[in-house]
Amino acid sequence: DAGVTQSPTHLIKTRGQQVTLRCSPKSGHDTVSWYQQALGQGPQFIFQYYEEEERQRGNFPDRFSGHQFPNYSSELNVNALLLGDSALYLCASSSPGGETQYFGPGTRLLVL
Amino acid sequence: QKEVEQNSGPLSVPEGAIASLNCTYSDRGSQSFFWYRQYSGKSPELIMFIYSNGDKEDGRFTAQLNKASQYVSLLIRDSQPSDSATYLCAVNPNFNKFYFGSGTKLNVKP
Repeated sequence: DAGVTQSPTHLIKTRGQQVTLRCSPKSGHDTVSWYQQALGQGPQFIFQYYEEEERQRGNFPDRFSGHQFPNYSSELNVNALLLGDSALYLCASSSPGGETQYFGPGTRLLVL
Repeated sequence: QKEVEQNSGPLSVPEGAIASLNCTYSDRGSQSFFWYRQYSGKSPELIMFIYSNGDKEDGRFTAQLNKASQYVSLLIRDSQPSDSATYLCAVNPNFNKFYFGSGTKLNVKP
């Protein structure tokens, strides 16, 4: 049973560039949430996707956008990268009607 | 006020002792509470969840919830060096959003 997968594992970008991160949920899960985790901090909720729609959003600017595909996989896009966007980006999935979230390994983004 | 507060630690306990990790939350309407373990450089791993007031035990782990005091705790019995990690408390005030604390770093000394 495959767990949550994310790609790429590491990424280096420069300020002003755009980045796309990808996530495949755990088998049987239909809901995907994205989090940003800065060093020494807990994960901060970015948004959640369900049925290809953004269902809930945290306090992140519009530079952060996402998408969910019919197979439940998801993308996180960040435009106009800032140095402060350097963080571990985590994807978590949950089952239909379930609250418990399971995390993928994360993508570590470094913005120079 | 942060939605979820945790003491950052580090909390140091000797091997075999009980480690007690605490968490408070601000949204009185929160219904679901989770504990995750995160090893350095890795992603959070679910340990257990609790919905009702009282204690819930799973192996060496016991979660305790007191909704009146808005307080959640995690006890780790017979602590092992492999338990050394950062423990994250998460609260689900509505169905679609989790709030995480900053985590408590636990060091178990052999």
